[in-house]
Amino acid sequence: KAGVTQTPRYLIKTRGQQVTLSCSPISGHRSVSWYQQTPGQGLQFLFEYFSETQRNKGNFPGRFSGRQFSNSRSEMNVSTLELGDSALYLCASSSGLGDYEQYFGPGTRLTVT
Amino acid sequence: GDSVTQMEGPVTLSEEAFLTINCTYTATGYPSLFWYVQYPGEGLQLLLKATKADDKGSNKGFEATYRKETTSFHLEKGSVQVSDSAVYFCALALYNFNKFYFGSGTKLNVKP
Repeated sequence: KAGVTQTPRYLIKTRGQQVTLSCSPISGHRSVSWYQQTPGQGLQFLFEYFSETQRNKGNFPGRFSGRQFSNSRSEMNVSTLELGDSALYLCASSSGLGDYEQYFGPGTRLTVT
Repeated sequence: GDSVTQMEGPVTLSEEAFLTINCTYTATGYPSLFWYVQYPGEGLQLLLKATKADDKGSNKGFEATYRKETTSFHLEKGSVQVSDSAVYFCALALYNFNKFYFGSGTKLNVKP
């Protein structure tokens, strides 16, 4: 079974730009969660999608948004990038049906200059 | 609010030493508890889990017991190896496991 894949793995953007990150979950999984990992704040939950609907949301500004497609693939978008958005963005997939094992992808390293 | 607190790192040990990484939590309701491990350049991997009080999770020589009375889930290993060098995250899950809270991570360095 293929694992969770994230593209791109590395990204460099300029302040004010926007960025879209992609996550393909494990086949059969319907839930995708997104996390931001920084040295200062650790791992912070962004949001979770299940069957194309946002089911849970963390405490991030509206510049951070996401969506999920019918094939469970998910995208995360950050608009008007700030220097503080530089982080490793991780996505995790699970069946979403009451189990609790999340499988993480390798992450996308975003650098904002 | 709901949160996880784990000991600051880095923790440096010699091979075959005993490991303890402390983790305590604050949660409404009855959370499930987890330890994840992150190796350099990789995502997180589930190491072990416990879903109710007094459960003991174990994997690859690592153990942790869900202690409701002390709201703790400390990670232990009797004899660490160089290959155990990684960052370890304690986490809790609420609301049918759809929302996770992670600790800040503890970096473990094991020297030969």
